Formats: sequence, C-alpha cells, structure tokens
Amino acid sequence: DADVTQTPRNRITKTGKRIMLECSQTKGHDRMYWYRQDPGLGLRLIYYSFDVKDINKGEISDGYSVSRQAQAKFSLSLESAIPNQTALYFCATAGKGLEGTDTQYFGPGTRLTVL
Amino acid sequence: QQQVKQSPQSLIVQKGGISIINCAYENTAFDYFPWYQQFPGKGPALLIAIRPDVSEKKEGRFTISFNKSAKQFSLHIMDSQPGDSATYFCAASGSNYQLIWGAGTKLIIKP
Repeated sequence: DADVTQTPRNRITKTGKRIMLECSQTKGHDRMYWYRQDPGLGLRLIYYSFDVKDINKGEISDGYSVSRQAQAKFSLSLESAIPNQTALYFCATAGKGLEGTDTQYFGPGTRLTVL
Repeated sequence: QQQVKQSPQSLIVQKGGISIINCAYENTAFDYFPWYQQFPGKGPALLIAIRPDVSEKKEGRFTISFNKSAKQFSLHIMDSQPGDSATYFCAASGSNYQLIWGAGTKLIIKP
C-alpha cells in the first residue's frame, strides 16, 4: 500500500461548487503539505501543517482552506471553485528520517478540472 | 529573495550522453538543496540532495555540483538512459522546512 494516498485521483466540477481533496499518510510524519502544480510554474505551496494544531498559509492560499483532522489526515477544500484552480494537486509529508529531516514524500496527485 | 531559477525548461539528450540542469538561488539562508524526479502520472520523488558544506555529491550516475559563492547548483546525469526521461525539479530550503521550487526541466533521452 502507498504511504501517501490522495482521493479522488481525478475530479471534474463546475464553477462555484465546493470541492474537498483528501490526503492520508501511513509514514507517521508530523509535517504535511498541499501543493498545486501548473505547467511551467513548478510546485507552489498552498498550505502546510507541522502538527494537528499548527496550520500555516503558503504562497497561494487565497481561495483554499485546509483541515488537519488527525496526524495522518490533511484535507484541502476549495469553497467556491473557479476555472483558474484547474491544476494538479499534490499532498506531501515530511519528517525525520535516514535521508535527513527535509525529505518530502508525495502522493500520486489529484487532477482537478473546473469548468 | 525567495526564488529558485531553473534552466533549461526542456532538454533533449542522446542515450549515453551527459544531461546537465542548472539552478540559481538568491536567499543565502538556504541550507538544503534537493533534486526531485517526477514521472508522468506520479508525484515527485527525492533523487539526490546536498548541503552547502560540500561542493559535490555523487550517487551512482547522478551528481550535484554546488557553488556557494555563485549561489548556483546543478544536476549532472552521466550515461543518460531512456529511463531517465522525466521532469526534474530543483528546490531549496532553510530552517523553516519550506521548499522553494524551481519551475522544472522536462528531460527527454533519445535512444
């Protein structure tokens, strides 16, 4: 089983709809992140959480909200989706490990299309 | 000061050749420089990383070269293989555990 899972993997929705993307991890990591990926722009940080009670805005948080329901679960919501939120969304986790404290482990991504 | 600039945007290399991707950063507080590899339909995965106390790190065919004074670092892939075809991202972070990402390089290795 994958260490970081994301649901759904693909979603098509309409402008104005509320959407929730979910992320679960079995790595036991404290730190979790939500990114969006757009062609030519790399990965941009939306929100990050260092533990259940510590949630922080990233570079592009406008139009998004998050919830850290447990150490293992971090969900991303689009309250009222708009077409320019069409993108590939990734969840990542990070924690102490043999590779060092900064290695981020990514889920498989959710492809979101807003019509 | 937060940017990481990556070049080229795309790169085509013959099988067996050397692939070179470059990144430049501005923030001198950055102390961790990873490279991630992403295959289509997958999330990025850590390939190799370096800290500024060394100028080079090698893992198999992959080498990071780091120039602290120039604030630049690069990924070299020796004996490039078709299986290396992927998108490569450089990144940098400081003590806040936030990675600042380059825009990515799409690498194609021609057989």
